[in-house]
Amino acid sequence: AQTVTQSQPEMSVQEAETVTLSCTYDTSESDYYLFWYKQPPSRQMILVIRQEAYKQQNATENRFSVNFQKAAKSFSLKISDSQLGDAAMYFCAYRRLTGTASKLTFGTGTRLQVTL
Amino acid sequence: DTEVTQTPKHLVMGMTNKKSLKCEQHMGHRAMYWYKQKAKKPPELMFVYSYEKLSINESVPSRFSPECPNSSLLNLHLHALQPEDSALYLCASSQIQPRTGRMNTEAFFGQGTRLTVV
Repeated sequence: AQTVTQSQPEMSVQEAETVTLSCTYDTSESDYYLFWYKQPPSRQMILVIRQEAYKQQNATENRFSVNFQKAAKSFSLKISDSQLGDAAMYFCAYRRLTGTASKLTFGTGTRLQVTL
Repeated sequence: DTEVTQTPKHLVMGMTNKKSLKCEQHMGHRAMYWYKQKAKKPPELMFVYSYEKLSINESVPSRFSPECPNSSLLNLHLHALQPEDSALYLCASSQIQPRTGRMNTEAFFGQGTRLTVV
């Protein structure tokens, strides 16, 4: 079974600074997807960034980028130029590549605080 | 339209009540999901529908009964719930990965229904 581990329950960053959230996962599959989702107090899970395991290049989306280390099964999220609106719970998630619908396996989450 | 709409946003129900949660999407997604999320925990999968058929049931008690009347709608019927069933219920939808080729299959989530069982 796949597992996803986020070892940082809480992180804090000052506005405009950079923060990195850690995620490791365990799988025997060779092809899969990895995601970072953000859940602000509004409750909606919002996709931040997606990485396909077969791609060696790290995904980037504006101020968000990942460091994907497939051999180490590590998938960290870097947030640059942090903004107050980045404060939220961040979940790392894994999904198999399959021909049918499959579930997301979530980590336990990291609560990010952004301070002035 | 990249929205998944859930109604109601909040629901308080007694243990003898019957109620339903509704979820709707118009993105043409053929996979729809129900997740349950307790406070300060990650979402836990309950059910998956693929092409309007139930494909995954994560051993959910029968007091939760899902229904997918068409490709845009997903319901969760609730009956005889317990106080420990109080949680945020999230609906999500996604494309289904084809057997060949690749397709973006990230899940889009609704804002959830905050359920309180009294």
